[in-house]
Amino acid sequence: QSALTQPPSASGSPGQSVTISCTGTSSDVGGYNSVSWYQQHPGKAPKVMLYEVSKRPSGVPDRFSGSKSGTTASLTVSGLQADDEADYYCSSYTGSYSWVFGGGTKLTVL
Amino acid sequence: QVQLVESGGGVVQPGGSLRLSCAASGFTFSWLPMHWVRQAPGKGLEWVAFLQNDGRIDNYADSVKGRFTASRDTSKNTFYLQMNSLIPEDTAVYYCARGADYAYWFDPGGQGTLVTVSS
Repeated sequence: QSALTQPPSASGSPGQSVTISCTGTSSDVGGYNSVSWYQQHPGKAPKVMLYEVSKRPSGVPDRFSGSKSGTTASLTVSGLQADDEADYYCSSYTGSYSWVFGGGTKLTVL
Repeated sequence: QVQLVESGGGVVQPGGSLRLSCAASGFTFSWLPMHWVRQAPGKGLEWVAFLQNDGRIDNYADSVKGRFTASRDTSKNTFYLQMNSLIPEDTAVYYCARGADYAYWFDPGGQGTLVTVSS
C-alpha cells in the first residue's frame, strides 16, 4: 500500500487560513469516509485533529475543518495561530483492517 | 482521562526480539480495538498493527507481517507488540493508539517508546 501524497510544506500568516491536501486512490481516500488528520509538535506524540473526514474530537477547536472530494481529502486551518505550527499527517482506512498515512506536511506560521 | 503508557523499548541487535507494552486507563479497554503506529527518526508516521477488541482479528503492515504479533490482556488493561527478527529498519518510536468503536480511526495517546535495532 503506497503512502498518501501530501505537500511537504505549507505556510500562512497569523489569522490567515491554510489548506493541506492529501491525495490517495479509490482504494483508500476515495473508497472510504475514514480519513483522519493528526497534528504532531516536535518531540511529541501525534494528536488526532479530525476523523471520518470532518469530525472533530472533543477539545479540538472549530478552526480545524476537513473535506473530501474524490480521492483527495483536505485539512483547513482557519485563523492561524503560532501553536498551529507543527507537522500534519493524514491517514486513511484501506479496507481489511489496514491503514495508510501520508508523508506529512510541515506547517509554518510566518 | 485517557492514558496510554508505552514501555519496553531499548537497543537490540539485528535478528533479536523485543516485547512492547502499552498500559491503558481512563476508558473501557475491552470495548475498543487497539493499534501500534511507529515513526522512524526524522521520518513520517507508519501504521504497524491492529487488534480487535476481543483479540480475534488482527492485521499488520506488510513491512512487519510475519515478524510482529499484537496481543492484549484485558485483565491487565495492557496491549502488547511482540517483535521478532528485528531489522535496522524497525528502528523507530512506537506509539500505541486507541481505536474507535465500529469506526476506522485511532488516537495515539502515549509518549511512545524508542526501539533501536543496531549491532
